[in-house]
Amino acid sequence: NAGVTQTPKFQVLKTGQSMTLQCAQDMNHNSMYWYRQDPGMGLRLIYYSASEGTTDKGEVPNGYNVSRLNKREFSLRLESAAPSQTSVYFCASSELRAQGEAFFGQGTRLTVV
Amino acid sequence: AQSVTQLGSHVSVSEGALVLLRCNYSSSVPPYLFWYVQYPNQGLQLLLKYTSAATLVKGINGFEAEFKKSETSFHLTKPSAHMSDAAEYFCAVSDHGNNRLAFGKGNQVVVIP
Repeated sequence: NAGVTQTPKFQVLKTGQSMTLQCAQDMNHNSMYWYRQDPGMGLRLIYYSASEGTTDKGEVPNGYNVSRLNKREFSLRLESAAPSQTSVYFCASSELRAQGEAFFGQGTRLTVV
Repeated sequence: AQSVTQLGSHVSVSEGALVLLRCNYSSSVPPYLFWYVQYPNQGLQLLLKYTSAATLVKGINGFEAEFKKSETSFHLTKPSAHMSDAAEYFCAVSDHGNNRLAFGKGNQVVVIP
């Protein structure tokens, strides 16, 4: 089982460039999430989608947009990348009745120079 | 909003010694609590979870955690550390009203031979 697949795994951007991080899950989960991980900060929620057709802001949404393309796919877009967005990004998915248990992708390591 | 606190970002433990990682939660309602583990350059993997059944929860790789409502704690333990336990460990909480996970800042565990 693939679980949660993120692409790309690594990316280097110049300040001001845009890019989209892709995420797909094959577990038929309703909910999907984007987190960023920074040293000493744990994981912070950027955006989430409780179900297909809905998206909501998390703890740190500024500078990001998301699209829940269908039940499987949830993308994260950086419209104008900034060095402060250098981070490791994780996509996760869960079933609403799974009592919060989330399944994570392998992460995208993004560097903005 | 619910939150968790993990103290001590780096924890060193000798091989064969007790592993103890502390987690205290803040939630207005009985929460769901989780411990996740992250091995180098990988995503997060669920170790164990508390969902209001037994207060002592057993997880994978010999880890267990005890939910103590009076202390608002969910500490993670393993009686005897193994070299393969070197990883970062995150405590997380969600409440019954939604499926969002809030993470602590994590503990980087180093196992000394």
